[in-house]
Formats: sequence, structure tokens, C-alpha cells
Amino acid sequence: QLHLQESGPGLAKPSETLSLTCIVSGDSMSSSSYYWGWIRQPPGKGLEFIGTIHYSGSTYYNPSLTSRVTISADMSKNQFSLTLRSVTAADTAVYYCARPLGVGQQPFDIWGQGTLVTVFS
Amino acid sequence: SYELTQPTSVSVSPGQTASIACSGDKLGEKFVCWYQQKPGQSPVLIIYQDAKRPSGIPERFSGSNSGNTATLTISGTQAMDEADYYCQAWDRNTAVFGGGTKLTVL
Repeated sequence: QLHLQESGPGLAKPSETLSLTCIVSGDSMSSSSYYWGWIRQPPGKGLEFIGTIHYSGSTYYNPSLTSRVTISADMSKNQFSLTLRSVTAADTAVYYCARPLGVGQQPFDIWGQGTLVTVFS
Repeated sequence: SYELTQPTSVSVSPGQTASIACSGDKLGEKFVCWYQQKPGQSPVLIIYQDAKRPSGIPERFSGSNSGNTATLTISGTQAMDEADYYCQAWDRNTAVFGGGTKLTVL
């Protein structure tokens, strides 16, 4: 059974770089043509798409975050990562990784439990 | 950028039908999905491709999409359905979420 687990520091300081990893178990990222995703949710607010990555390395980012975001994948470790630069308090959120239902522009049907990242000085 | 608009809150009595709208420009030309999220939990996909239900999702959840509005309908609403609901569509390789609707069952 597919399982996604986010990992990374729960705290970050303003202007620093946030790095999170999504560990995939129960399925090989390279065995399918899914675009694996990152989504975040500020406390008490709605969901925001961050971006997706294909095992080939192809990525798509939310235009509002594209200047600060990089998503990468390590197929040997079956995981993908999120890097968010120059963070501010507005980046405080629960960060989820997710897998889509299928190939192409599909909804996300498998989600990690989420990890809270707080940006404060 | 593309936007999806949902009502902030909807209230329904137990056993009645709840409808949650999601509006966007020419939304009917896109596939819409819906997520349910309960406090402290990750979102759960409950409707995809406008009206399909993933395995394990009760039949009381249904969806439709036409024109500029997609609608999530919950028939015979139960107390356990109290949650936040989000619509989502794709626009140029970007997933766009609605702002979310808090469904209160009272």
C-alpha cells in the first residue's frame, strides 16, 4: 500500500531556505508517469498548490511561488524534495506531499500526513 | 491567474441535502474534483472528473459541473460529514483550489 511521509525541520527563520522531503513507500516513483505534488495549507486557511515533479525531472510550479521554489527527486531513494527560498511568516503552513490518481492532470488521491513548518525569528 | 470561488460556509440539518458550489470562468470545460478535510487530517478525495467517486466513498456524495459552476451534493447528510470541502481544477499545469467551504451539520 502506497504511503507518503513528509520530513524536515519544523522551524525556519525569515529569509532562510526551507527544505522538506517526501519519502515514498509501497510504490516506485520511477515505475509510473505520475506527477508527484507538494501542497501547503496555512493554519486556518485553504489549500495552496506548490508544484509537481515527474520522475523524468519535469516540474511545474505555482506561478506565485516559482521564483522561490525548486522541487527535485531522488529515484535511488524513492523520494522527492521541496526547497523554498527566502521564507517569511506567510510561508508558515502544513506542507503535504501527494500522489495523483493517474497520469496527467489528475486529482491527488494519496496524501501524506503533512508536516507543520513555522517561520519565526 | 485562474480562480475558483466557494461559499465560506454552508449549514444543513441531518438527513437533508447539502449543496456546495464552486465557480470559475468556463469551469464546465475543465474536470473538477472535491476533497473533504476534517480537523487535523489530510484532505480526502471524494469526487473526481466532476462526478466520479473513488472506491470507498459513500453514494450520498455526488458531483456535477456545467457552465461556470461545479456543485458537490451530499444527500442524507450525516453528522460525520461535517468538514471543510475544497474544489480543485487544473489550469495550465497548475492545480487551483477553491477557498474551501465549512459544512456545518446542525
